[in-house]
Amino acid sequence: KAGVTQTPRYLIKTRGQQVTLSCSPISGHRSVSWYQQTPGQGLQFLFEYFSETQRNKGNFPGRFSGRQFSNSRSEMNVSTLELGDSALYLCASSPQGGRNNEQFFGPGTRLTVL
Amino acid sequence: GNSVTQMEGPVTLSEEAFLTINCTYTATGYPSLFWYVQYPGEGLQLLLKATKADDKGSNKGFEATYRKETTSFHLEKGSVQVSDSAVYFCALPTNRDDKIIFGKGTRLHILP
Repeated sequence: KAGVTQTPRYLIKTRGQQVTLSCSPISGHRSVSWYQQTPGQGLQFLFEYFSETQRNKGNFPGRFSGRQFSNSRSEMNVSTLELGDSALYLCASSPQGGRNNEQFFGPGTRLTVL
Repeated sequence: GNSVTQMEGPVTLSEEAFLTINCTYTATGYPSLFWYVQYPGEGLQLLLKATKADDKGSNKGFEATYRKETTSFHLEKGSVQVSDSAVYFCALPTNRDDKIIFGKGTRLHILP
C-alpha cells in the first residue's frame, strides 16, 4: 500500500501571497489531519477532516483553511502569508481518526516565506 | 486538559549506550500513550504505543511502560545504534476530542 504523499515537497513564497498544499492519504483512510512543525513551537495541530467535514480545529487564524474531497484527498490553504508561516506542514491519515489510533504521516511540505 | 512534557534535547550518546528519554503526562482518565519517531527528512512514524496502565509497548528494541502511579511513559533502549539518530515525540490524545498532543520532541544523536 502506498504511504501518505504530500505535494509539493518544497515551496518558496513571499509575504502576502497564498499557498495551497496537497495531501493524498493511504487508500481507505478517511481521516486526514494537518500539523505545523516549527523549531520553536514543535508540532501544532491545524485541523482534521473526516468524510469531507472538518471534525476538529486547532488554534490558528482564519488564514489557514482546508478541505477534503470525496476521495479523501485533502488540501490546505494559507492566505496572506506571513514570515512566521515558514514551517514544515505535515499531513497524517488514519482509517477512522480517533484518540487511540495510529496516525500515518507524510514527509511534509517545507514552506519558506520570504 | 491533557498535556505531555518530555525532556529537552539534544541527547548525544555513543553507539551501544543505554538510552532513556523521559516523558510525563497529565491526563483525565487513561488515554493511550504513544511514541513517534521522525528520521531526517521524513514525517513522523509510530514507534510504539500503550493503551492502558502497566502496558509495555515495544518495537525495534525500544520499550516504554505506561506508569499510572508516576504518570510517565519513558522511552528506553538497551543499546542504541547510529541509525537511531532521529527526533522522538511522546504523544497522547486530548480529553475532549480526538486531537493528538505531541511533546516538543527530543533530538537524539548517536556517535559511532
